[in-house]
Amino acid sequence: EAGVAQSPRYKIIEKRQSVAFWCNPISGHATLYWYQQILGQGPKLLIQFQNNGVVDDSQLPKDRFSAERLKGVDSTLKIQPAKLEDSAVYLCASSQQDRQYFGPGTRLLVL
Amino acid sequence: AQSVAQPEDQVNVAEGNPLTVKCTYSVSGNPYLFWYVQYPNRGLQFLLKYITGDNLVKGSYGFEAEFNKSQTSFHLKKPSALVSDSALYFCAGSSWGKLQFGAGTQVVVTP
Repeated sequence: EAGVAQSPRYKIIEKRQSVAFWCNPISGHATLYWYQQILGQGPKLLIQFQNNGVVDDSQLPKDRFSAERLKGVDSTLKIQPAKLEDSAVYLCASSQQDRQYFGPGTRLLVL
Repeated sequence: AQSVAQPEDQVNVAEGNPLTVKCTYSVSGNPYLFWYVQYPNRGLQFLLKYITGDNLVKGSYGFEAEFNKSQTSFHLKKPSALVSDSALYFCAGSSWGKLQFGAGTQVVVTP
């Protein structure tokens, strides 16, 4: 089966610019997650969707980060405006029951 | 609340020797525990999980993990390490579908 797809794989922007990441989960997976992984740390959950509804966004910096999952399939994560500390790998995952499947991630560098 | 800790930043082992990566957990209730592996520039790959049942869990690529309730540990083990096992390993605990990751342990297997 096809895995979780993410694009772009790499992105370099300057601070205060905006950026968007895209995720296509495994077909049929109702739950979708976005994680932020800062170098040297474990992934941190930003937001969890169940179909097209938000289950948990308690750790999402809502003043600059936004995410949506229209039609309960693909999802986009946006940062506007970006800060230096947003440099990280952004991982998308989808799940069916208790196991999460991860995409390859988008590596963001903010200069 | 649920949290996991990985006390070692790095583990060095010679090829052919046993490999152990340590993880301890702190949970209220029954723990759901996972091990993931991350290779450079790739997403996290699932190795194994403990939900309930036998304390010894067998997973992918010859890895296994032992759940120890009295010591609140879930150490990852492999009887004979390969150079290709060199990667970053994450322990994670799950609560209501949300994964809480440890900081990760870098495993270096030398020929």
